[in-house]
Amino acid sequence: GAVVSQHPSRVICKSGTSVKIECRSLDFQATTMFWYRQFPKQSLMLMATSNEGSKATYEQGVEKDKFLINHASLTLSTLTVTSAHPEDSSFYICSANRVLGGMYTFGSGTRLTVV
Amino acid sequence: EDQVTQSPEALRLQEGESSSLNCSYTVSGLRGLFWYRQDPGKGPEFLFTLYSAGEEKEKERLKATLTKKESFLHITAPKPEDSATYLCAVLLTQGGSEKLVFGKGTKLTVNP
Repeated sequence: GAVVSQHPSRVICKSGTSVKIECRSLDFQATTMFWYRQFPKQSLMLMATSNEGSKATYEQGVEKDKFLINHASLTLSTLTVTSAHPEDSSFYICSANRVLGGMYTFGSGTRLTVV
Repeated sequence: EDQVTQSPEALRLQEGESSSLNCSYTVSGLRGLFWYRQDPGKGPEFLFTLYSAGEEKEKERLKATLTKKESFLHITAPKPEDSATYLCAVLLTQGGSEKLVFGKGTKLTVNP
């Protein structure tokens, strides 16, 4: 149990376009989902916390208007990178927490390349 | 400032050569400590959660321990398939919500 599906696994987009990444909890309900960004040989950096039915909470330094997060249901959160630029190229990973707590399960990640 | 430091950054072992990875932390309001394994190009895979000093958990060749200031991940008789980056994360409560703060990881390579 506790499977998180993230899609797409890889995406290449042109500079100035927007990209949407989906994160789904397949076999449990997630009150909270988290979005991370990981640069090569670096740790996972939390970008934002999304709660079902309310606005996301962004970490300091993360642009809310660039990284749009929507958590429309207890099983789905989306991250949209708007007006992407090459410096947005990175590995984006989502995580979901069970309603009953304690289980932080990660998706398989999305490699975004902006050209 | 809450910090999580992992050492060493990289570790090379021969198959069967046991060793330990370290995760030290300076945080306020620790709710738990997590160990994950991450393979290249993949998301972290859950290994263990530890909640209190003195707690130990085991899974196959891995054993995680926790003190008030650090955690160790012991690897006994490793195999090449244990090669991966091992991440440590602490669960904190900030502003009424929970969040995981990660260390930079230890890249383990086990040679046959």
